Amino acid sequence: EAGVTQFPSHSVIEKGQTVTLRCDPISGHDNLYWYRRVMGKEIKFLLHFVKESKQDESGMPNNRFLAERTGGTYSTLKVQPAELEDSGVYFCASSREGNNSPLHFGNGTRLTVT
Amino acid sequence: GNSVTQMEGPVTLSEEAFLTINCTYTATGYPSLFWYVQYPGEGLQLLLKATKADDKGSNKGFEATYRKETTSFHLEKGSVQVSDSAVYFCALGWNTGNQFYFGTGTSLTVIP
Repeated sequence: EAGVTQFPSHSVIEKGQTVTLRCDPISGHDNLYWYRRVMGKEIKFLLHFVKESKQDESGMPNNRFLAERTGGTYSTLKVQPAELEDSGVYFCASSREGNNSPLHFGNGTRLTVT
Repeated sequence: GNSVTQMEGPVTLSEEAFLTINCTYTATGYPSLFWYVQYPGEGLQLLLKATKADDKGSNKGFEATYRKETTSFHLEKGSVQVSDSAVYFCALGWNTGNQFYFGTGTSLTVIP
């Protein structure tokens, strides 16, 4: 089966611009998660979708971040306007419905805001 | 609250050396514990896990034991290889909700 794919792999933008990250989960995986790793720090949870519904968005840092998962398939994470502290690696993960389902991670998108 | 603390890197070892990467955690309740690995240019992969106290997770020669009394889950390997060079993340999570807490990651470089 194809893994979790993320696009782009790298993005360099200027402060104040907008960037949209995309995640395609493994087909059939209802759970989709976004995480972020700021340079040298821990990977932190941002939010969790179950199908198209936001189950938990407690980790979203502020209202400059908007995540969607229309139709319950792929997801986008938009940052608008981007700030310097948004730089980091954004990971997406997916899993099947139910407990004990392992997380499958994508390769991440490295975002650099200059 | 819930958190994971792991030893800071980077760690550089010679091939066939013994590896220990320390990980301790703070958690409410009884989470599962995990080690994830990120090889260069790739995503996070589950390396091993343990779901309850005294469980030992093992994979690819790596081992870690869930120690409730010391709230630790140290990663060990008896003889590292160049191909083990990667970033290793300790994490905890629950069976419900799937919300994970990760450590900061430890970069390992193994030299021939």
